[in-house]
Amino acid sequence: EPEVTQTPSHQVTQMGQEVILRCVPISNHLYFYWYRQILGQKVEFLVSFYNNEISEKSEIFDDQFSVERPDGSNFTLKIRSTKLEDSAMYFCASSESRQGVEQYFGPGTRLTVT
Amino acid sequence: AQTVTQSQPEMSVQEAETVTLSCTYDTSESDYYLFWYKQPPSRQMILVIRQEAYKQQNATENRFSVNFQKAAKSFSLKISDSQLGDAAMYFCAYRSLGAQKLVFGQGTRLTINP
Repeated sequence: EPEVTQTPSHQVTQMGQEVILRCVPISNHLYFYWYRQILGQKVEFLVSFYNNEISEKSEIFDDQFSVERPDGSNFTLKIRSTKLEDSAMYFCASSESRQGVEQYFGPGTRLTVT
Repeated sequence: AQTVTQSQPEMSVQEAETVTLSCTYDTSESDYYLFWYKQPPSRQMILVIRQEAYKQQNATENRFSVNFQKAAKSFSLKISDSQLGDAAMYFCAYRSLGAQKLVFGQGTRLTINP
C-alpha cells in the first residue's frame, strides 16, 4: 500500500541554522501539507500546497518557513533560521484532490533545535 | 476559528471490552467533516473513521463507530471488542468544507490491558 515517507526521522540542529525536512507524498496525490506538533501540544496545521503554490497557510507559517516541490516526487519544508521553539514533530501529509477527504500522513520528523 | 477538545488525556480498557473516547468541537459552520485518527507508537497517523456533518447516520467501520451529536457539537468514538493493536494515540479532527487544513484535538492515549 502506498505510504507517505519522511526523512530524516530525527534531526538535531543548532539555533540559527537552516534545516530542510523532506517528504515523498503518495505518487498520484496532488495536495500536500505540513503539520507540526510541539511536545505535549496539539497537532497544528502549517501549510497546504497545490500546483506549485501555497494554497493555505496558518499564522505559524511565517517568513522563516518555505515549501517547495523541487522535483516530481519530493516535497520539502525549509526553516531558514531555526529557533528553540521550532523543536517539534513535523508531519507531512498528502491527499488525492481538494475534495479528497482523507489526508495520508507520514511518520514525522522529530526536529530538535539546541 | 474552529476548536477541537479531547478532555481525556489517557484512557485504558481491558482487552475485548468497549471503550468510548470523547471529542467536542466548536464551529459556526453547518457543513464540515469530522475525523478520528489513530497514531500507534512511532507510526504514522491513519484515518480510523470520518463523518460528514450533513449525514445524520453515525459512521461505522467494523469495530469502530461514532456517536455524532451535531447540536451538542460532540463526536465520540466507540471501539468495540478492544484488541491489543488498538493501543495508540487517538486524535479527533475537524475540517471545514471549503478548507484543506485539519484542526486537531489534543489526543487521547489509549492503553489496552491484556
